[in-house]
Amino acid sequence: GDSVTQMEGPVTLSEEAFLTINCTYTATGYPSLFWYVQYPGEGLQLLLKATKADDKGSNKGFEATYRKETTSFHLEKGSVQVSDSAVYFCALSDQISGNQFYFGTGTSLTVIP
Amino acid sequence: SQTIHQWPATLVQPVGSPLSLECTVEGTSNPNLYWYRQAAGRGLQLLFYSIGIDQISSEVPQNLSASRPQDRQFILSSKKLLLSDSGFYLCAWSGPGRGNQPQHFGDGTRLSIL
Repeated sequence: GDSVTQMEGPVTLSEEAFLTINCTYTATGYPSLFWYVQYPGEGLQLLLKATKADDKGSNKGFEATYRKETTSFHLEKGSVQVSDSAVYFCALSDQISGNQFYFGTGTSLTVIP
Repeated sequence: SQTIHQWPATLVQPVGSPLSLECTVEGTSNPNLYWYRQAAGRGLQLLFYSIGIDQISSEVPQNLSASRPQDRQFILSSKKLLLSDSGFYLCAWSGPGRGNQPQHFGDGTRLSIL
């Protein structure tokens, strides 16, 4: 079945450091891929998405490229800020699986000044 | 634009008491609706999803039930809460149909069982 695996956290970085959060997936069809961000005490917000191979999603300085050959969708940011501290979730939606989403377990990021 | 509302934001309930959490969506018709639970420091567990009025699919056996009495209203209920029902409950919606559309989340309800 479909699944998403993302790197274990927590991740702690200094401000302006480079961020990578790894995400790989397994899907039976042609999934769309998403990154969500959850700030403390809040719901999840859609950060970016990609709907087909080689698409690059980007938002707020974050980027992720849909790599079909490596079944990956790694999240990157060139220079993190304290305000980026949150939990990040990778997710996929596959038409074959209908209306369901498959979420990774989340990666907690803390950025220190 | 579309918005999703969840309430209450926080709730403290004794073991054995009933539960009703409500979620409503505005600005869209016939959305797919979802209830998730997030235990402390953990990922998301899909509890229920609905593709239409009175059409509910349950993902895991549990002490909870869901209902969709109106197109844009989704209710999570329990007759008798257990300690293990504590957690952060999230409602979400996506556009109708089977397309690979993003889900959009409410602000969540933090439920504590004493």
